[in-house]
Amino acid sequence: EAGVVQSPRYKIIEKKQPVAFWCNPISGHNTLYWYRQNLGQGPELLIRYENEEAVDDSQLPKDRFSAERLKGVDSTLKIQPAELGDSAVYLCASSSQRNTEAFFGQGTRLTVV
Amino acid sequence: RKEVEQDPGPFNVPEGATVAFNCTYSNSASQSFFWYRQDCRKEPKLLMSVYSSGNEDGRFTAQLNRASQYISLLIRDSKLSDSATYLCVVLNQAGTALIFGKGTTLSVSS
Repeated sequence: EAGVVQSPRYKIIEKKQPVAFWCNPISGHNTLYWYRQNLGQGPELLIRYENEEAVDDSQLPKDRFSAERLKGVDSTLKIQPAELGDSAVYLCASSSQRNTEAFFGQGTRLTVV
Repeated sequence: RKEVEQDPGPFNVPEGATVAFNCTYSNSASQSFFWYRQDCRKEPKLLMSVYSSGNEDGRFTAQLNRASQYISLLIRDSKLSDSATYLCVVLNQAGTALIFGKGTTLSVSS
């Protein structure tokens, strides 16, 4: 069974440019998370979806970040415009139910220059 | 105070050593507890859940003390392959988000 798939694996952009990340969760997983992980830190939740509904986006910087999960399957996370401080690894995770194990994708390593 | 705090590390131990990681959490109403393992430049993966009664999986033992809001992970007979970062994870009160600690890095040497 395929795991959580993310693309791209790496992205280098100049500041003020837009960028988008894509995630395909494990088939049948209703819960999808986007986390951001800075170097030397643990992952920090940005947004959580239950099917197509964003049920926790309190930590998402809404002035520049947006996310969507159309049809309750794939999800995209967008940053526009990117800032130097956005450089991090963006991790997508999914779980079959709200309180069960979360499976992570390999992440997208973003570098803003 | 951070929601989940861990030993700063890094821990450098020889093969065969026993090493213990500690973690504290701030919200007494937190629901569930886990240890995740993260290898260098890889994604986090579940190592084990942590139950109030304590649980063991081979060389790994996890314990939870709800009164002290304290979680521990004990690794016996360390192997080179145990070298990784160990993340203490707490499911928040609402059951809606996994809250991660900063992680503790373990390096096992021969």
